[in-house]
Amino acid sequence: NAGVTQTPKFQVLKTGQSMTLQCAQDMNHEYMSWYRQDPGMGLRLIHYSVGAGITDQGEVPNGYNVSRSTTEDFPLRLLSAAPSQTSVYFCASSYSIFTEAFFGQGTRLTVV
Amino acid sequence: KQEVTQIPAALSVPEGENLVLNCSFTDSAIYNLQWFRQDPGKGLTSLLLIQSSQREQTSGRLNASLDKSSGRSTLYIAASQPGDSATYLCALIAQETSGSRLTFGEGTQLTVNP
Repeated sequence: NAGVTQTPKFQVLKTGQSMTLQCAQDMNHEYMSWYRQDPGMGLRLIHYSVGAGITDQGEVPNGYNVSRSTTEDFPLRLLSAAPSQTSVYFCASSYSIFTEAFFGQGTRLTVV
Repeated sequence: KQEVTQIPAALSVPEGENLVLNCSFTDSAIYNLQWFRQDPGKGLTSLLLIQSSQREQTSGRLNASLDKSSGRSTLYIAASQPGDSATYLCALIAQETSGSRLTFGEGTQLTVNP
């Protein structure tokens, strides 16, 4: 049971480049979310999904896109990377709002 | 808007000491509260989940309590060990939000000295 798997673990991008952060879970969880963690700001919600085909914006959605075509996968797309998107990104999943949330190991992204 | 506060931001204790980490929140209408541990450069590891109808949960040397009326949760760590050194985060799901959206505190950085 792998839990929540994020790839890549580290990435350096140039300003203006695009990329996709991958997130997969094998627990058949309906709820999946993306957070970013910044010093002094804590963890903030970017986008979330309550099931395949259903996504919504969180607290800091600008510059990011998501889609959820399957229950297992929830990729996060950076459309045109900016230095302000330098951060550590975490994907999380849970069965419902009443159950434990599990996090991936994170992707450390640097935009230069 | 729900706000979550963790005090102190940092705590240093000698090995073997019992300690309490605090988490406070502004709106008592929550579904659950979860405590996490984060080691440097790593992801979040779930420690305990307390449902809104529960008062406490225990796992090994850890005990978490929840008092919705006062907007507080505490994480009690018994007989602390150097391996307990990490940042501890509390997070909750507020009833005002949709989906499984966690609102986090900024964490307490714990150092247990041998």
